[in-house]
Amino acid sequence: SQTIHQWPATLVQPVGSPLSLECTVEGTSNPNLYWYRQAAGRGLQLLFYSVGIGQISSEVPQNLSASRPQDRQFILSSKKLLLSDSGFYLCAWTRTSVGDTQYFGPGTRLTVL
Amino acid sequence: DQQVKQNSPSLSVQEGRISILNCDYTNSMFDYFLWYKKYPAEGPTFLISISSIKDKNEDGRFTVFLNKSAKHLSLHIVPSQPGDSAVYFCAASSNDYKLSFGAGTTVTVRA
Repeated sequence: SQTIHQWPATLVQPVGSPLSLECTVEGTSNPNLYWYRQAAGRGLQLLFYSVGIGQISSEVPQNLSASRPQDRQFILSSKKLLLSDSGFYLCAWTRTSVGDTQYFGPGTRLTVL
Repeated sequence: DQQVKQNSPSLSVQEGRISILNCDYTNSMFDYFLWYKKYPAEGPTFLISISSIKDKNEDGRFTVFLNKSAKHLSLHIVPSQPGDSAVYFCAASSNDYKLSFGAGTTVTVRA
């Protein structure tokens, strides 16, 4: 069966500090990978998605970037965090077919102070 | 532009009764619809889906109805249980790699 991991579970960072969140998927090959953010009281906002190693599509201009160094690894980064980057960050995966169900990781709660 | 809308931010229902969650969409290209359930500080979990070629899909206590002409879908939970208290997200896909999510509806099941 497939499993998706995210770490850390919670993170408190000062404004201006860097960020690195990691997501890995087990039990599947060549998945599509996604990063979402859920701000307090709001829905899920798609930030980035990737259909293969080194292939990143950005949905929203922002202070964040994503990378996919390995097939089942997806990293969300920032060089300098802003207060508005606070939120709940979710990684998701799906098989490489359009319209397929996305499965989510446990999420990372990021608080920028 | 919000292509998927859940206009009710919250719903309170008595245990044992039916919960009805509604979702509207604007993109006529959407052809696959999903409902997710989310507890606080956890990732969403997939509940049920429906393809545009169907108008109803049932899985245990959960039934999703799709009205393509009205661009509307709903999730029925019967009977509602305390463990159903969570945020429910509607999502839609249009034959690409992305899902568009609604803002969510918080369901509270009262004992």
